[in-house]
Amino acid sequence: GEDVEQSLFLSVREGDSSVINCTYTDSSSTYLYWYKQEPGAGLQLLTYIFSNMDMKQDQRLTVLLNKKDKHLSLRIADTQTGDSAIYFCAESISNFGNEKLTFGTGTRLTIIP
Amino acid sequence: ETGVTQSPTHLIKTRGQQVTLRCSSQSGHNTVSWYQQALGQGPQFIFQYYREEENGRGNFPPRFSGLQFPNYSSELNVNALELDDSALYLCASSSRWTGNTGELFFGEGSRLTVL
Repeated sequence: GEDVEQSLFLSVREGDSSVINCTYTDSSSTYLYWYKQEPGAGLQLLTYIFSNMDMKQDQRLTVLLNKKDKHLSLRIADTQTGDSAIYFCAESISNFGNEKLTFGTGTRLTIIP
Repeated sequence: ETGVTQSPTHLIKTRGQQVTLRCSSQSGHNTVSWYQQALGQGPQFIFQYYREEENGRGNFPPRFSGLQFPNYSSELNVNALELDDSALYLCASSSRWTGNTGELFFGEGSRLTVL
């Protein structure tokens, strides 16, 4: 079955880059996602990558996918206090990409002033 | 602001009771998914509805049931509540026909406490 793992905590100084890592087990994943959850809020999609891609960049966000090692990372450049949140990695194995997501436990990102 | 609204935002029930949670999906979206997020955990897939029919279910017992209405809004019903059902219940809407990006638009959730 699917399993997604993340480290629980990450602390980064304001202005530095944050790198959040994720490993997944299902090699048939079609899409991999990064969601952000701020306190008391629902989940906001930050970015996604299709399984046949190695990298995707979107402004301050860079996603790297190593399909051989089943490893996904999210790099946030120039981390700001507004980036403080919990970040969830998620995978989907559906061809439509939206039928069932398996989420990791989330990484709480704390920004040090 | 995702356009997905859930109600109620908070509620408290006692063990054995029943609860109904409601979700209005984003305009134009025909698919609704429900997730349970226990404290300190990632969301877990409960089930998904497409065209008023259940279209996939996670590892949840039959006392978790749902409905989707012709206007694509949805309800999640939980019978015989247990203490472990205490969680944030998230509704997400999507459109099956939008480029296969798989983006889910989440509401802010209904926080259920079972005493």
